[in-house]
Amino acid sequence: AQSVSQHNHHVILSEAASLELGCNYSYGGTVNLFWYVQYPGQHLQLLLKYFSGDPLVKGIKGFEAEFIKSKFSFNLRKPSVQWSDTAEYFCAVNARVGGGKLIFGQGTELSVKP
Amino acid sequence: EAGVAQSPRYKIIEKRQSVAFWCNPISGHATLYWYQQILGQGPKLLIQFQNNGVVDDSQLPKDRFSAERLKGVDSTLKIQPAKLEDSAVYLCASTSSLRDRGLEQYFGPGTRLTVT
Repeated sequence: AQSVSQHNHHVILSEAASLELGCNYSYGGTVNLFWYVQYPGQHLQLLLKYFSGDPLVKGIKGFEAEFIKSKFSFNLRKPSVQWSDTAEYFCAVNARVGGGKLIFGQGTELSVKP
Repeated sequence: EAGVAQSPRYKIIEKRQSVAFWCNPISGHATLYWYQQILGQGPKLLIQFQNNGVVDDSQLPKDRFSAERLKGVDSTLKIQPAKLEDSAVYLCASTSSLRDRGLEQYFGPGTRLTVT
């Protein structure tokens, strides 16, 4: 069965610090990979996605993620966080074959101190 | 473009009562998903529709949960009777096509259900 594991439940950083959130997935076939973000009081929204091509993908607000197939990982990075990046971040995967349902990790809460 | 609409935003009921949630996806989106998000966890798919047909309901507790999408547009999710463990946020999402599974799922604001 597919599963997604996020390494950190809660990360606290100061502004301008670098960010890396870990995500590993378990699935034997080809997958699409996503990072979603939920800002306080807002909807889940897509941050970035990977489904083919360059394994380094860039998303909105300066975020990027690298797909490492051999490690089944899709870690999210940002070189310098801002207070406005305070949010919950979810890694998700869906299979290329199948109904397209997303399997989510448990989420990482990021708190950025001004 | 209007987003995914859900109502109500909040609902408090007692256990064994029934409750219904409504979702209106983005216009033209054929695929609709209902997810359950328990506090501290990521969303988990309950049911997926393609137009008015069910694609996946393998994780829907069918003894108490039901969902329909009669005209292939808006959808209703019902719980009857509710249990304490049903306390969660119920999210609705939609996408325009199944053919490209890399397409973004657009999420609504969710309905926060508290069962007492």
